[in-house]
Amino acid sequence: SQQGEEDPQALSIQEGENATMNCSYKTSINNLQWYRQNSGRGLVHLILIRSNEREKHSGRLRVTLDTSKKSSSLLITASRAADTASYFCATERQGAQKLVFGQGTRLTINP
Amino acid sequence: DVKVTQSSRYLVKRTGEKVFLECVQDMDHENMFWYRQDPGLGLRLIYFSYDVKMKEKGDIPEGYSVSREKKERFSLILESASTNQTSMYLCASSFEQGVYSYEQYFGPGTRLTVT
Repeated sequence: SQQGEEDPQALSIQEGENATMNCSYKTSINNLQWYRQNSGRGLVHLILIRSNEREKHSGRLRVTLDTSKKSSSLLITASRAADTASYFCATERQGAQKLVFGQGTRLTINP
Repeated sequence: DVKVTQSSRYLVKRTGEKVFLECVQDMDHENMFWYRQDPGLGLRLIYFSYDVKMKEKGDIPEGYSVSREKKERFSLILESASTNQTSMYLCASSFEQGVYSYEQYFGPGTRLTVT
C-alpha cells in the first residue's frame, strides 16, 4: 500500500507563481524525501527532512514536516518553465531502510 | 557527482525470454534498489541490497530475481518475461551510515516492452 499520498494529483500555474504540493502518510517515519522527475527520466532528489526537523530550505524550495498531522508540504517559489515535472514524496518508515513513494503530483508551469 | 547508469534506455523482449537489466553506481554506495514505475501506481520496490551478496525482497518481488556480486553492480533478472512486466525500471543507490539513511540517486531508467 502507498505510504505517501500527494495532493493534488495535478497542478497547473503561471510562471512566476508559487506552487504548493502536499503529502500525507500513515505511519511513524525516520525521514521524508521529495524527488522530481522530468518526463521519461529518472528521479532527482530535492530535499530530505528528518522526523525531528520541521522545516528545510534549498534555493526556491521550502519543505515543512508536521509529524503530529503526518503531513508534509513542498513549496516552490517564483516558478519557472523548467520546474514542469512530476514531484514525488517518499517516506522511510521507522525500522525500515527503504522508501515508499507516493503517486506524485504533475506540475505544469505555463509561460 | 554520483552517477548511476543502466545498461539500456529501451529494451524490447519476447514473452518467455530471460532478461537482464544491469545497474552500476560509481560512488561506493552500500545500498542499491530496483523499482518499477507504472502509470497510476507510482514507484514500487522490487528488490534491494545492503551489501555484496545480500538481497531483500521489496513489495513486488514475484517474477524477478537479483544479483549483487560486486558492490558497484546490481542486476535485475526476469527469469521468464511476461507482458505484465512491461514497465519503466529504475535503479537507485544510496549511502548508509549507522541508523541514518540518505537520499537515493537514480539511474535514467530502462523502458522494457515485452511482446
